[in-house]
Amino acid sequence: QSALTQPASVSGSPGQSITISCAGTTSDVGSYNLVSWYQQHPDKAPKLMIFEVTKRPSGVSNRFSGSKSGNTASLTISGLQAEDEADYYCCSYAGSSTFVVFGGGTKLTVL
Amino acid sequence: EVQLLESGGGLVKPGASLRLSCTASGFTFSNAWMIWVRQAPGKGLEWVGHIKSKTEGGTTNYAAPVQGRFTISRDDSRDTGYLQMNSLKTEDTAVYYCITDYNDYGDYDSWGRGTLVTVSS
Repeated sequence: QSALTQPASVSGSPGQSITISCAGTTSDVGSYNLVSWYQQHPDKAPKLMIFEVTKRPSGVSNRFSGSKSGNTASLTISGLQAEDEADYYCCSYAGSSTFVVFGGGTKLTVL
Repeated sequence: EVQLLESGGGLVKPGASLRLSCTASGFTFSNAWMIWVRQAPGKGLEWVGHIKSKTEGGTTNYAAPVQGRFTISRDDSRDTGYLQMNSLKTEDTAVYYCITDYNDYGDYDSWGRGTLVTVSS
């Protein structure tokens, strides 16, 4: 069982927006603005899409955005494209004992 | 360009040991932390542990499921980090990724391609 809770799957049509939630606790998401999101295509290494809740690494489309409210973080993808179909994982710093926790992943299907 | 190359994966029996290597290039390895993350087949990502740079003490930290069985080390002269895995269990079967960063807050932008470890009788 993963430390952070994500929906198993979400779907949307091209051009639509979707949001993936990531529920944590006061020990991780709720205590630190250190939530990251990863995109993973089959048989590939994960790719960092969002860090520090809202920041995008260089080269990541501005269709990807992150937010946080309390113990729950969210990833929103706007203007869905076929290439966005992938697994998405949230991740949070959890202090200097546990360090890093991940969500169980969400499979995004572009219809 | 940061490049990380893992090696050493393979098929081993429960109770066996295996050492993974991660060779780095494109940056000053000695200044960075080395982190290991694993992914069981068809499952999610799991943080395994890290080793700090020597200037920050070179200390290690591990996830509870591997504490006492896995050891992370580094040889800065070879730009290489290691994951020594002892007393392997079937649940350790996974692709193991190495990552480097200057801290460990979970925002990893440099990943290796991963190496598969299969623990099976």
